[in-house]
Amino acid sequence: EVQLLESGGGLVQPGGSLRLSCAASGFTFSSYAMTWVRQAPGKGLEWVSIIKSSGGDIGYADSVKGRFTSSRDDSKNTLDLQMNDLRVEDTAVYYCAKGRGDNSVFDYWGQGTLVTVS
Amino acid sequence: EIVLTQSPATLSLSPGERATLSCRASQSVSTYLVWYQQKPGQAPRLLIYDASNRATGIPARFSGSGSGTDFTLTISSLEPEDFAVYYCQQRSNRPITFGQGTRLEIK
Repeated sequence: EVQLLESGGGLVQPGGSLRLSCAASGFTFSSYAMTWVRQAPGKGLEWVSIIKSSGGDIGYADSVKGRFTSSRDDSKNTLDLQMNDLRVEDTAVYYCAKGRGDNSVFDYWGQGTLVTVS
Repeated sequence: EIVLTQSPATLSLSPGERATLSCRASQSVSTYLVWYQQKPGQAPRLLIYDASNRATGIPARFSGSGSGTDFTLTISSLEPEDFAVYYCQQRSNRPITFGQGTRLEIK
């Protein structure tokens, strides 16, 4: 069974940093793209970042480029999101999700972790 | 950036009725269009990928169609558990973008 478990969310002041992690199990982690998608309270979905298998291709939304860094550790089956220079508008539930292949169809999602910047 | 516009914003229907949700892209995305369902307090669930392919375990009452800039998600006969918010997503170009969502509510 595929499982994705996010951690690391919490309350942080503007300008601060936070590191989110996503622990994956139930599939061959190294073979799949992984992504972060966020959802501000009461709002829609916003794509944040994607990292393809082997980490050779990483992409970011313009809203986080230069502030957020996505990485993966295929030996530990973990996906991380380092978030620096956080802004009030970064407040959201952050989901990690698995690609259906090494692509941008997201077939399994974690339950999310809440980041509050205030 | 490719903008996805979903319509209507809210759709009010009764169980057993047919639902038709639209997603329009600001430029062609070929068939690289994905649909998700999200219920309150839950993560999104993949329904349809590449415009018309049902994901594993998705009931046959859900179907997708379209190509280029105009796409449709159809639910042939609404079940009580289908009332939720539906999002489209394009994976043709980066940045990956989502539509603003259509809320399907019980009439």
